[in-house]
Amino acid sequence: EIVLTQSPDFQSVTPKEKVTITCRASQSIGSSLHWYQQKPDQSPKLLIKYASQSISGVPSRFSGSGSGTDFTLTINSLEAEDVAAYYCHQSSNLPYTFGQGTKLEIK
Amino acid sequence: QVQLVESGGDVVQPGRSLRLSCAASGFTFSSYAMHWVRQAPGKGLEWVAVIWYDGTKEYYADSVKGRFTISRDNSKTTLYLQMNSLRAEDTAVYYCARDSGTICCRAYDSWGQGTLVTVSS
Repeated sequence: EIVLTQSPDFQSVTPKEKVTITCRASQSIGSSLHWYQQKPDQSPKLLIKYASQSISGVPSRFSGSGSGTDFTLTINSLEAEDVAAYYCHQSSNLPYTFGQGTKLEIK
Repeated sequence: QVQLVESGGDVVQPGRSLRLSCAASGFTFSSYAMHWVRQAPGKGLEWVAVIWYDGTKEYYADSVKGRFTISRDNSKTTLYLQMNSLRAEDTAVYYCARDSGTICCRAYDSWGQGTLVTVSS
């Protein structure tokens, strides 16, 4: 099983701050890495697919990068509405797995 | 627009069975692989199972293999999850999610609102 390890687990942030969340895979997964946002009491929402591909309707302040085992989700100029948990997910190998999540809180 | 609506969640005793449904609309259901993903209270996301667009292939997480069965009825545009021999650790919100591909597996581009399953005596 491919283990995805996100860091940090939790971050307290201020509006307009640049936020970086990392996801490390236990083995190479190419670019089969996707990012989701889950706001409190809501379903997850796809933010970025295949490491860096943008999704229609998602604000441009969200971007992704990486390949192989190391990936990054960047939120430029964080807004209050971005308070949420963020999960990475690999679709390279069964069983498909998620990172443990990164929770963002506004200071 | 794409809509996925889960139903069937309930409080059940350990060892009992439950069937979840996910009614799909707003897209050609028979063209997409579909997944079940669950989230235990206060925890992260766990992939449960996937079924190919035509129902010819299914795969499961080890934690549910042999107890859960994923199926679909493309004529009714509905996805199912039959859960047998339920355990306390199966307590979670169960989401159905659409794969962005036909065969599998890619990103999950649409999610339902979830249905809560509580396994407790």
